[in-house]
Amino acid sequence: SAVISQKPSRDICQRGTSLTIQCQVDSQVTMMFWYRQQPGQSLTLIATANQGSEATYESGFVIDKFPISRPNLTFSTLTVSNMSPEDSSIYLCSAGTLRSYEQYFGPGTRLTVT
Amino acid sequence: KNQVEQSPQSLIILEGKNCTLQCNYTVSPFSNLRWYKQDTGRGPVSLTIMTFSENTKSNGRYTATLDADTKQSSLHITASQLSDSASYICVVIIGPLFPIGFSGGYNKLIFGAGTRLAVHP
Repeated sequence: SAVISQKPSRDICQRGTSLTIQCQVDSQVTMMFWYRQQPGQSLTLIATANQGSEATYESGFVIDKFPISRPNLTFSTLTVSNMSPEDSSIYLCSAGTLRSYEQYFGPGTRLTVT
Repeated sequence: KNQVEQSPQSLIILEGKNCTLQCNYTVSPFSNLRWYKQDTGRGPVSLTIMTFSENTKSNGRYTATLDADTKQSSLHITASQLSDSASYICVVIIGPLFPIGFSGGYNKLIFGAGTRLAVHP
């Protein structure tokens, strides 16, 4: 199994600013993903964080708004740029391997934009 | 379009009672189906994983069933406890997918909206 930690656990930010969320996995994993979970909703995939190359974004999400880094096999960051109240959400990091069916989730970062 | 639908949206039961949550899916290519439990303020935790050939899988008081022909799954909770209060999410995994420029394949998760279960004393 993999244990995933995220920082910060929560933050309150002002409109127009940016926040970078960090995700650390305790073992080397092939795949890392970033999800958004809006209040009362299920998870929506933002992008797949690829090690050493640009992230793969899902429809409706763009790199300018959600730049992602993945410098190695255990760490990734997601930045929420030029925030608006509509970005208030929980952002979750997830990780898994190509061979394993299992995918593990971090505890999430609760973001509130005022 | 890949889709996972769950019912009911929410459910209230008394402690000690049983309940069954439903999941219908339309995805391709199907790899496996999972049920996750998500406590408030936490990330989802996997309860069961079932591949195409498996009809049922148990994890303690949780029993999941899968009918690949009708594309339906259910999660049965026996003798509910207060700690079972959470959202239960049906997730269908499609794949492997092989994106251009990426060396290797990966699985993609399609999430249902979840069933919010409240167990009352």
